[in-house]
Amino acid sequence: EAGVAQSPRYKIIEKRQSVAFWCNPISGHATLYWYQQILGQGPKLLIQFQNNGVVDDSQLPKDRFSAERLKGVDSTLKIQPAKLEDSAVYLCASSLVTGELFFGEGSRLTVL
Amino acid sequence: RKEVEQDPGPFNVPEGATVAFNCTYSNSASQSFFWYRQDCRKEPKLLMSVYSSGNEDGRFTAQLNRASQYISLLIRDSKLSDSATYLCVVNGEMNRDDKIIFGKGTRLHILP
Repeated sequence: EAGVAQSPRYKIIEKRQSVAFWCNPISGHATLYWYQQILGQGPKLLIQFQNNGVVDDSQLPKDRFSAERLKGVDSTLKIQPAKLEDSAVYLCASSLVTGELFFGEGSRLTVL
Repeated sequence: RKEVEQDPGPFNVPEGATVAFNCTYSNSASQSFFWYRQDCRKEPKLLMSVYSSGNEDGRFTAQLNRASQYISLLIRDSKLSDSATYLCVVNGEMNRDDKIIFGKGTRLHILP
């Protein structure tokens, strides 16, 4: 069974530039999550989708971050403009059963 | 009090020893609990769920104490390959039984 796919794996940009990450969840998983993980910390939820509806985006910095999940399958997360503190790994996860998350390998962002 | 709190470690433990981690959670309405493992520069992966009656999987034992609001993970006969960060995950809060919260993780180093 194919896992959660993410791209790109690595991205280096300068501050104030924009970046987009893509995620394709495991087939059949209705719930999709985007997490931000800063070095040395646990994953922090940015946004949670149930099919193509947003369940929780309370910790998403909406002035610069946006996410969508058209057609309830794959999803994109965009940052515009990026700040230095956005340097992190962006993890996408999907689940069929609440609490049992399957993560992608992550997209590592470095903002210079 | 933080929603999910873990001792960040690192725990430096000789191979073959037994090691235990605790994790406390603040919301008494939390409903389900998990331990995830994260290897260096990798994504988190589900290690085990934590049931009210406690559960065991080989060398790993998880316990839940609802009265004191903590969960624990015990690793017996530790192996070098157990070196990783262990993330405590709590699911559920008032009116949101699908809200998932990660702790910051406890780093474990098994020493040869």
